[in-house]
Amino acid sequence: AQTVTQSQPEMSVQEAETVTLSCTYDTSESNYYLFWYKQPPSRQMILVIRQEAYKQQNATENRFSVNFQKAAKSFSLKISDSQLGDTAMYFCAFMRGGTASKLTFGTGTRLQVTL
Amino acid sequence: DADVTQTPRNRITKTGKRIMLECSQTKGHDRMYWYRQDPGLGLRLIYYSFDVKDINKGEISDGYSVSRQAQAKFSLSLESAIPNQTALYFCATSDPRTQGAAKNIQYFGAGTRLSVL
Repeated sequence: AQTVTQSQPEMSVQEAETVTLSCTYDTSESNYYLFWYKQPPSRQMILVIRQEAYKQQNATENRFSVNFQKAAKSFSLKISDSQLGDTAMYFCAFMRGGTASKLTFGTGTRLQVTL
Repeated sequence: DADVTQTPRNRITKTGKRIMLECSQTKGHDRMYWYRQDPGLGLRLIYYSFDVKDINKGEISDGYSVSRQAQAKFSLSLESAIPNQTALYFCATSDPRTQGAAKNIQYFGAGTRLSVL
């Protein structure tokens, strides 16, 4: 079974600064997908970024980028130029490739962006 | 209007009551999922359905049942609610035919907060 670990329950960053959220996972699969979801106080789950394991290039979406280290099974999220609207719970998630399509989530990191 | 709609948004019920949470989607996706979110535990999969005739248990299905009434509707039932089923429940959908950058993305509803007293 796959496991996803987020070791930082809470983090804080000042507006305009950069912050990195950590995620590690354990799997014996070679084909898989990794995701970061954001859950603001509205509680809606919003996809932030997606990474395919067979792609070496790190995914980026505007101010959000990942550092995907396949050998180390690490998938960290970097938020640049943090904004107050980035305040949220962030979940890292794993999905095995193929037809399964089930997500395994980490326990989340609560990020607070301050003035 | 939201693509994935969950009703009700909030619900308070009593121990032993039967309760149904509903999910409908306009995305045309075949696959639908029910997750439960508890503080400090993240989201865990309860049940999932790959089409109307396909229902599968997730990692925490005990105490729950589901019904896939149509491609667009997937309901979660608690036959006899108990306090430790107090949680935030999410429905999600995905389309296995999607390729490219959107492949394997799951789209979530706004959640139902359930309290069992």
